[in-house]
Amino acid sequence: EAAVTQSPRNKVTVTGGNVTLSCRQTNSHNYMYWYRQDTGHGLRLIHYSYGAGNLQIGDVPDGYKATRTTQEDFFLLLELASPSQTSLYFCASSDGTGNTGQLYFGEGSKLTVL
Amino acid sequence: KTQVEQSPQSLVVRQGENCVLQCNYSVTPDNHLRWFKQDTGKGLVSLTVLVDQKDKTSNGRYSATLDKDAKHSTLHITATLLDDTATYICVVGDRGSALGRLHFGAGTQLIVIP
Repeated sequence: EAAVTQSPRNKVTVTGGNVTLSCRQTNSHNYMYWYRQDTGHGLRLIHYSYGAGNLQIGDVPDGYKATRTTQEDFFLLLELASPSQTSLYFCASSDGTGNTGQLYFGEGSKLTVL
Repeated sequence: KTQVEQSPQSLVVRQGENCVLQCNYSVTPDNHLRWFKQDTGKGLVSLTVLVDQKDKTSNGRYSATLDKDAKHSTLHITATLLDDTATYICVVGDRGSALGRLHFGAGTQLIVIP
């Protein structure tokens, strides 16, 4: 069964704190994505990756770093968290075949920056 | 500028009633359109994908249409159930490959009451 697992599911930190959000997929997908979801907005793409060691910049990358260590694992790093980064973060994986491809989302990581 | 607009923003229906959700977009090119269901606190689950210039799909009680000339899609839910309570998100893909970007609407919150 297709799976994208995120951790932690909930995280509270303070301004300036260091946060790592983890994502693991067991779908053998090449493509992985990090999105943020804010009330009143559609999901916005932060970073994505075509495979291990590859990193591509999304639409809202400022304040975020990412690293794809293996085909399965994709991490989102906030090195100096700010209150504007309080959001619900989603990881997704895809087999990259576009309109007919598979696209699976994790259950989200809620981050609160005080 | 928001390129995918969904309406209504929220909708309350009684169990057993039918409902229609709307999606208008300005994304160009518009390769395909997906509808997702997002339960509260959960990730997005794909309901259907539409590809053709004038397309129709059916997935159980969910049916969808796409008119690329009008840049408009609808999601119909027949005989709603309490479990249909969720946010429904319209997503437009601008390419048929993973090189394309997904453009997300902010969603329609559907509440089904007994």
